[in-house]
Amino acid sequence: DIQMTQSPSSLSASVGDRVTITCRASQTINNYLNWYQQKPGQAPKILIYLASTLPDGVPSRFSGSASGTHFTLTINTLQPEDFASYYCQQTHSTPFTFGQGTRLEI
Amino acid sequence: EVQLVEFGGGVVQPGRSLRLSCVASGFPLGDYAMHWVRQVPGKGLEWVSGISWNSGRTVYGDSVRGRFTISRDNGKNSLYLQMDSLRHEDSALYYCTKDLTTTVTGHFDDWGQGTLVTVSS
Repeated sequence: DIQMTQSPSSLSASVGDRVTITCRASQTINNYLNWYQQKPGQAPKILIYLASTLPDGVPSRFSGSASGTHFTLTINTLQPEDFASYYCQQTHSTPFTFGQGTRLEI
Repeated sequence: EVQLVEFGGGVVQPGRSLRLSCVASGFPLGDYAMHWVRQVPGKGLEWVSGISWNSGRTVYGDSVRGRFTISRDNGKNSLYLQMDSLRHEDSALYYCTKDLTTTVTGHFDDWGQGTLVTVSS
C-alpha cells in the first residue's frame, strides 16, 4: 500500500497569512494526488486534483504543487472560512490512501 | 444538484451485520463509479470500497476485504455496503461518495453527509 505522510498535523495562523501543508508519498504516484478541505460537521470537499488543478468554484488563493513524491498545498491570504482540516489523498492505486490530516487553526 | 443520502447506520454488536444504503439524486447514478469512505469522529479519512458504474469492478481496503461487500442498483439510484463480522474498529461515520468517471479512479467529487455506525456490545 502507498503511505501518505502529511505535515504538520496542526497549524496555527492568522487571517491574511500564507500557509503551506506538505504531503509525501511512499512511492511514485505520478501526480495522482488530491487535496480535500473539511470543515467541522461537514463532509470533505475536493480542493485540488492531479496535484495542481483547481475544480470550478475553488478560490485561486489555493494552489498545489508537486516535486517527485513531495506535494504541497499553499493557501495565500488566509480567509476566515479557510480554517478547517485538510487531507491529501493518492489516487494512483488502490487502496486509495489519505494523509493523516492537518488542522488549520486561528 | 447532486445529492447523496446515506442511511442504515446504528448500534450493532461485534460479529453482527449491518447494511448501509445511499440514495443518489440530481445525476444518473449509472454514469459514475461510487465509493464508501469512513471517518472516526475527530480522526482522519479511510477509503473503504469502490465499485465501477456497471459493478464490473469492485475494490476494497485491506481492513474490510472479505467482510464487506459493495453493490449497487442503478435502476433504484442506490449504492449499498453489506458489512459482516463487524468489529469495534469499524465504528465510524460512513460517507457515500461519487467518483469522477464510470471507472474507479478514487477521485471523490461529491459526498453525502454520512451515516454513523457504532459497533458495541
